[in-house]
Amino acid sequence: KNQVEQSPQSLIILEGKNCTLQCNYTVSPFSNLRWYKQDTGRGPVSLTIMTFSENTKSNGRYTATLDADTKQSSLHITASQLSDSASYICVVSAKYKLSFGAGTTVTVRA
Amino acid sequence: DAGVTQSPTHLIKTRGQQVTLRCSPKSGHDTVSWYQQALGQGPQFIFQYYEEEERQRGNFPDRFSGHQFPNYSSELNVNALLLGDSALYLCASRAGGGHEQFFGPGTRLTVL
Repeated sequence: KNQVEQSPQSLIILEGKNCTLQCNYTVSPFSNLRWYKQDTGRGPVSLTIMTFSENTKSNGRYTATLDADTKQSSLHITASQLSDSASYICVVSAKYKLSFGAGTTVTVRA
Repeated sequence: DAGVTQSPTHLIKTRGQQVTLRCSPKSGHDTVSWYQQALGQGPQFIFQYYEEEERQRGNFPDRFSGHQFPNYSSELNVNALLLGDSALYLCASRAGGGHEQFFGPGTRLTVL
């Protein structure tokens, strides 16, 4: 069973709208949680990385939250742009072992 | 800084053949990890190299092997290719004590 579950699997939003992606994990012991953006056919690019003591981190229009007690994280995209169309992957680290979610595919339409 | 680079970009092989993929880590990074990403899936960890030795390995058969060179670059070798080996192969590097892992653009392998 995958230790990192992401939802929804995919979503379509209109340009300018906001959306929130979810990540639930069971990985233990927890070291850090990262969100990556992956364009089709390309390597993932880091958006945010949060350790146990951090519960929110922003990178431009991307804001990630972390609740280490409930083992949940979210990634909020504000005022979406066409260039936000990509797969967003949640990655949880236990020491130096990384567990990847399957990703949420976001499609932004004009 | 060129970041993580991988070659080739695309590769087409037939079943039973062998393939070698190459990765150069980001400047200053000494740890290299390889991942396999099937279409629509998250990356699956293959193995990690540090100080020219395989340090960790995921759930992949012995057909998958690797090497790290003194300049920290790395190769991934896959023998006896199967159709199911078709995927995007990602290389990622980090500094030994760091959390942040940087990914390369990947090599798209198609097995016919």
